Amino acid sequence: DAGVTQSPTHLIKTRGQQVTLRCSPKSGHDTVSWYQQALGQGPQFIFQYYEEEERQRGNFPDRFSGHQFPNYSSELNVNALLLGDSALYLCASSLRGYLDIQYFGAGTRLSVL
Amino acid sequence: AQKVTQAQTEISVVEKEDVTLDCVYETRDTTYYLFWYKQPPSGELVFLIRRNSFDEQNEISGRYSWNFQKSTSSFNFTITASQVVDSAVYFCALSETPNDYKLSFGAGTTVTVRA
Repeated sequence: DAGVTQSPTHLIKTRGQQVTLRCSPKSGHDTVSWYQQALGQGPQFIFQYYEEEERQRGNFPDRFSGHQFPNYSSELNVNALLLGDSALYLCASSLRGYLDIQYFGAGTRLSVL
Repeated sequence: AQKVTQAQTEISVVEKEDVTLDCVYETRDTTYYLFWYKQPPSGELVFLIRRNSFDEQNEISGRYSWNFQKSTSSFNFTITASQVVDSAVYFCALSETPNDYKLSFGAGTTVTVRA
């Protein structure tokens, strides 16, 4: 049973560029959440997708956007990258997303130069 | 305001010692869930336990045990007879209900177990 998979593993971009990160949820899960984890800190909630819609959003600017596909996979897009966007981006999947355990992928390490 | 506080930044122990990780949370909800996750160097957050606010029974799973006390808003985690493989960052997290789907994480505690 495949767990949560994320791609790519590592990514290097320059300021002002745009980036797309991808996530495939655990088999049987229909909800995807994205988190940003800066070095030495706990993960911060970006948003959650359920039934192809953004259901809840954390305190992140509009430069951060996402999408969920009919097969429940998801993308995180970040526009106009800033140095401060350098972080580990974690995807978590769950069933229905409410009170359910969120299972995490290994993340995408984004470096913005 | 920080909803989950993990006051211990780093803990270093020798193998076979016990280690206790503190977690204090803040919420106005009467129904909520508390979690512990382990993050090894690979980066993936590994789920360890979930407790709901109505279940204050302590739980033991192998060498892991958890102590939940609503009176002090604490959900502490103890690793008994620690092993080198326990070296990781441990996060406590809170999920408030209803209509709040996110996990609010503490800053994490880095545990280093020396052989």
